[in-house]
Amino acid sequence: DAGITQSPRHKVTETGTPVTLRCHQTENHRYMYWYRQDPGHGLRLIHYSYGVKDTDKGEVSDGYSVSRSKTEDFLLTLESATSSQTSVYFCAMSSSGSYNEQFFGPGTRLTVL
Amino acid sequence: EDQVTQSPEALRLQEGESSSLNCSYTVSGLRGLFWYRQDPGKGPEFLFTLYSAGEEKEKERLKATLTKKESFLHITAPKPEDSATYLCAVTTNFGNEKLTFGTGTRLTIIP
Repeated sequence: DAGITQSPRHKVTETGTPVTLRCHQTENHRYMYWYRQDPGHGLRLIHYSYGVKDTDKGEVSDGYSVSRSKTEDFLLTLESATSSQTSVYFCAMSSSGSYNEQFFGPGTRLTVL
Repeated sequence: EDQVTQSPEALRLQEGESSSLNCSYTVSGLRGLFWYRQDPGKGPEFLFTLYSAGEEKEKERLKATLTKKESFLHITAPKPEDSATYLCAVTTNFGNEKLTFGTGTRLTIIP
């Protein structure tokens, strides 16, 4: 939503190829998150960042890596995409961590063939 | 393991017909409970945060309440534009940054 964008919005790729999704925020929020949303599972946390170069794993981090070199950008990389990583990916931001609300981006629909 | 269960999975109401959505949770040390609205093809939109049992928050036709085991989202005299999926999520004192989501209630308001 306002203040947080994701790119690309849609991507189709083939199994085994690397994929990078970008999240960009203009609110100077410290915390940023990557989630995936799948039918029947709800939103699940992949990785999160609590500052520049500070990241940690979420509950479904296998097969994913992240980087944050600037406050405003948080990248999610699938080193070698698999069909099980077909999903909708959401980025979120928060000013002060899990005690306060997170604001979500518009999402990226990724299809791995 | 932290668990969040939302019911019903889907709800169809006539315009003006009030109802409630339920979010029950089993966690160790609730830090906060969040309600979000999600429209098709969009990211979740923040609605409310509740921190302690007995707390209530209101916004237009929506009111969220919290007990020690569950939260309700009451919708009064809904309009078609209230149609969306409503998501509940919790954070705990022991889960670092993990936000545990329920699978949502898909609400449809019929004109």
